[in-house]
Amino acid sequence: DAKTTQPPSMDCAEGRAANLPCNHSTISGNEYVYWYRQIHSQGPQYIIHGLKNNETNEMASLIITEDRKSSTLILPHATLRDTAVYYCIVRVGSNSGYALNFGKGTSLLVTP
Amino acid sequence: DSGVTQTPKHLITATGQRVTLRCSPRSGDLSVYWYQQSLDQGLQFLIQYYNGEERAKGNILERFSAQQFPDLHSELNLSSLELGDSALYFCASSALTGVGNTIYFGEGSWLTVV
Repeated sequence: DAKTTQPPSMDCAEGRAANLPCNHSTISGNEYVYWYRQIHSQGPQYIIHGLKNNETNEMASLIITEDRKSSTLILPHATLRDTAVYYCIVRVGSNSGYALNFGKGTSLLVTP
Repeated sequence: DSGVTQTPKHLITATGQRVTLRCSPRSGDLSVYWYQQSLDQGLQFLIQYYNGEERAKGNILERFSAQQFPDLHSELNLSSLELGDSALYFCASSALTGVGNTIYFGEGSWLTVV
């Protein structure tokens, strides 16, 4: 699997957009980028995933660079409840079996 | 609520004992995953089952075993427990096993070994 690099921590003011970067310079053509978050020992929560195109859902937007070597998760209007550890994961597809390998993630603190 | 149900939520047991953690996947999901999260190791993938068959294996100890039953629920068995096995154990599920399938996590089972 491609290795990902994320800043260990970030701060964001409530109501502002939170932009969380992820580098995955060794990504290959068939590897997806997934984002999960974990709020204080709760189960990891799926946010969004993408392959080549930018993606948006009700929680966030995922911007993937054209060369696919990096991506940014955008939380458009961060709230205090968005304080969590955010994981960027790259995983190759295989129908025989696969799992998401979590790194250390980015600890996002949203402040009032 | 992800739809993945884990029991028990909390468990305290002594070293050397054996415990079983249970997981009910989301309705219709065929694939089940087990993860371990301890303070010093982060989230570690243990094992994946798909429709009753083992499909992927991670850092699962030989003292640990899992299975997925015909009704698709899964159990993780932990034996000869050591203090270091104290952790939060997550079960997750997905509809299929391909890369495009989203994995949804349960709320975990807290295991404390004393």
